[in-house]
Amino acid sequence: NAGVMQNPRHLVRRRGQEARLRCSPMKGHSHVYWYRQLPEEGLKFMVYLQKENIIDESGMPKERFSAEFPKEGPSILRIQQVVRGDSAAYFCASSPIMGQGDYFGPGTRLTVL
Amino acid sequence: QQQVKQSPQSLIVQKGGISIINCAYENTAFDYFPWYQQFPGKGPALLIAIRPDVSEKKEGRFTISFNKSAKQFSLHIMDSQPGDSATYFCAASWGNYGGSQGNLIFGKGTKLSVKP
Repeated sequence: NAGVMQNPRHLVRRRGQEARLRCSPMKGHSHVYWYRQLPEEGLKFMVYLQKENIIDESGMPKERFSAEFPKEGPSILRIQQVVRGDSAAYFCASSPIMGQGDYFGPGTRLTVL
Repeated sequence: QQQVKQSPQSLIVQKGGISIINCAYENTAFDYFPWYQQFPGKGPALLIAIRPDVSEKKEGRFTISFNKSAKQFSLHIMDSQPGDSATYFCAASWGNYGGSQGNLIFGKGTKLSVKP
């Protein structure tokens, strides 16, 4: 059983470009969580999604950030008009039932030049 | 109230020694307390977790001690090995008994180095 998959693993963008991060949950998991980790910091919750629904987006910045988890395909975290402060590692986690996501992916490391 | 405070920031232990990392929380609604281990360039991996109905949980060399009245919990790594060198995060969440929340609140991490 493959674990949580994220791609790309590394992403470099220039200021003002869009970043699109993908997360494929573990098989059978319909709950996805996105977290952001700044250097030397713990992970901060961003958004919790179920298939086709955003359950909790209280940790998501109000502008430029959006997330989706369509019926088919991976969950997508989209960052528009990236700024240097968006440089971080973005992790997704998945779980089979409503609750915490205990299975984390390897992360996408975003660098904004 | 949503914070989880973790200490120390870094820890150096000799091989065979005991590593102890502490966390404190304020929100009494938290009902799930996991510990994660993270190696450089990797995602966090669940190590061990505890719920507030028990005061201690042991899995191999890893033990969580939980003090509900003090709102503190700690991770003990017995017989620490160089391979245990990693960053450890405590976390907390609530609503895992059918509630609507589920996101984890993480501590800032402890960087553990185990010297041979």
